[in-house]
Amino acid sequence: GQNIDQPTEMTATEGAIVQINCTYQTSGFNGLFWYQQHAGEAPTFLSYNVLDGLEEKGRFSSFLSRSKGYSYLLLKELQMKDSASYLCAVRRGGGNKLTFGTGTQLKVEL
Amino acid sequence: NAGVMQNPRHLVRRRGQEARLRCSPMKGHSHVYWYRQLPEEGLKFMVYLQKENIIDESGMPKERFSAEFPKEGPSILRIQQVVRGDSAAYFCASSREGDLPEQYFGPGTRLTVT
Repeated sequence: GQNIDQPTEMTATEGAIVQINCTYQTSGFNGLFWYQQHAGEAPTFLSYNVLDGLEEKGRFSSFLSRSKGYSYLLLKELQMKDSASYLCAVRRGGGNKLTFGTGTQLKVEL
Repeated sequence: NAGVMQNPRHLVRRRGQEARLRCSPMKGHSHVYWYRQLPEEGLKFMVYLQKENIIDESGMPKERFSAEFPKEGPSILRIQQVVRGDSAAYFCASSREGDLPEQYFGPGTRLTVT
């Protein structure tokens, strides 16, 4: 089976940096995704890591360590609009099925 | 807007009725996925389809639920004899052919069973 863990909630200040962690246990790992979901809306794709290391895309970066079963999403220069749920998802094997964590609700405050 | 389209956005059904949810993938995408999201829970995979084929239905309940993606037209998720526990947001996602794994989500259909 698969197990994906993320913190339930986090709070950060506008302009700051926040790191959202995700740990997973799975066989046949074949990639990790981060999605952003605002309340009542569709998840939107943020990043995809399949090899170890850091992927940077503007204010958002994602890191993966396959040996540790660990990833994080780093958000810089936080804005109020970044308040949302951040979903970690793992792809297993050659198929395209994604298994999602329950998400981390990020609240950005002034 | 060439994004993933879902309709209806909101659907209310009485217990025992049928619900039909439709999904049109992004232009150029031939893979469709259905996920269910219960309140305060994560997205749960239901089924993965390509045109006229069900590739993986390991997340589909054994009874009352079915999905199709015909050669022409949208993908349909069908729930027969709905019960209150079926109330949830149902999201469709699509991706390209090949090993590009990024899935793009539609706005979802919020099903309420009364």
